[in-house]
Amino acid sequence: QSVLTQPPSASGTPGQRVTISCSGSSSNIGSNTVNWYQQLPGTAPKLLIYSNNQRPSGVPDRFSGSKSGTSASLAISGLQSEDEADYYCAAWDDSLNGAHVVFGGGTKLTVL
Amino acid sequence: QVQLVQSGAEVKKPGASVKVSCKASGYTFTSYGISWVRQAPGQGLEWMGWISAYNGNTNYAQKLQGRVTMTTDTSTSTAYMELRSLRSDDTAVYYCARGRGVTTPFDYWGQGTLVTVSS
Repeated sequence: QSVLTQPPSASGTPGQRVTISCSGSSSNIGSNTVNWYQQLPGTAPKLLIYSNNQRPSGVPDRFSGSKSGTSASLAISGLQSEDEADYYCAAWDDSLNGAHVVFGGGTKLTVL
Repeated sequence: QVQLVQSGAEVKKPGASVKVSCKASGYTFTSYGISWVRQAPGQGLEWMGWISAYNGNTNYAQKLQGRVTMTTDTSTSTAYMELRSLRSDDTAVYYCARGRGVTTPFDYWGQGTLVTVSS
C-alpha cells in the first residue's frame, strides 16, 4: 500500500488532454514539493516534473504539474503514442516514524 | 553528459548479501548525493535511502535499517549499496539516482541492476 495514492490506470486518444492525480497527507504533499517521474516500458524512471510544476530541460511543455493542499496532479496535453508509460508521483514525508521519500503506486497511461 | 552506470545482474540465495555499484561520470561527484530506489517485479518504486557523496552522511528507509549500508568511493566516483540477510521479497531491480540533497528530486538515474533472491 503506497503512501501517495494514484489511480492505477488512465487512458486517452492522441491529441487529448489527460490528468493523473496524486493524493497524500499533511506530512508529505501538504508540506513538501511534489516530483513526477515517467517510466517507459523496460527503462529506468526519468524526472518529468520537479518542485510541483517545474520542467527539467528537454521535457516538452505538453507536460505540466500542479499542487493544491495535500493533492497534486500531472497533466499531459496533446497526447502522443510515445507518452504511453507508467507515471509516479513522489514527495518527502516528514513522518514521526522517520522522514523518507514516498512514492505513489504508479499510473499506467495507455494511448488508445 | 551525466551518466550513472550500475553493475550487472546478481543471483543470490536467501540469507546472503549483495553489493551493487553505481559509477558516476560527467559531473562533480562530491557535489551531489545518491539515492537508491528499488522496484519489485510488476510493482512500483520504493526509496531505500540516500548518501551524501560530500561527507558520507546517510539517511535510510526505516524498514531497511540494519540490513542496508550505502557507501561511496570518491576516488572512483562510485556509490555502493549493500543489502544483507536477503529474502525472496528483496528480488527487484535496484536503481541509483542522483539528487543534490536527501529531499531533492532524482534528476539522473542508473540503468538498474536486477537482483534475484532464490534458493
